[in-house]
Amino acid sequence: SQQGEEDPQALSIQEGENATMNCSYKTSINNLQWYRQNSGRGLVHLILIRSNEREKHSGRLRVTLDTSKKSSSLLITASRAADTASYFCAPAGSGTYKYIFGTGTRLKVLA
Amino acid sequence: DAGITQSPRHKVTETGTPVTLRCHQTENHRYMYWYRQDPGHGLRLIHYSYGVKDTDKGEVSDGYSVSRSKTEDFLLTLESATSSQTSVYFCASGPTGDGELFFGEGSRLTVL
Repeated sequence: SQQGEEDPQALSIQEGENATMNCSYKTSINNLQWYRQNSGRGLVHLILIRSNEREKHSGRLRVTLDTSKKSSSLLITASRAADTASYFCAPAGSGTYKYIFGTGTRLKVLA
Repeated sequence: DAGITQSPRHKVTETGTPVTLRCHQTENHRYMYWYRQDPGHGLRLIHYSYGVKDTDKGEVSDGYSVSRSKTEDFLLTLESATSSQTSVYFCASGPTGDGELFFGEGSRLTVL
């Protein structure tokens, strides 16, 4: 299926540290997206990386994509308490319109 | 922010009653999705639509039906609600089938 699986399930860091979370998937993709969900809210799109890209930056976010390993990573640099949220990856495209999310990574940034 | 609204935002109902959740978007997005979110399960896709009157099943479609008679509205119906359908339901929409999704704020449904 087009599902992404995030790892680790939970991550707790101090403010100012970097946070890295990973995503694995099983099928070919057109792109891979990362989303953030604050407690009780809808998901918010963070960044999209296309299958022909290896790395992409947006502010304090850095995303890498390795299509040979079918994996992606999201790095949040200099974390802030406001980054506390759940993060989901969504592999997309390649013949399907379905977005199948995993269980996410719960990030807690301690002030 | 994309204009996606869900209604009702909160609903308590009894087992066996029908329930309809509405998702309304003002962005003219072609693709729309219904998810449910439960502790330990992340988001699970119920049904999705790739155009007016074009819908398909997701991962957990049993007990749910959908309809899309207009681009802007995507309805999720529980014909006979059960306690296992107690959940938070999220709607999402997007202009393409592989681009950014925009989510609503969720509808919390409790089935007693």
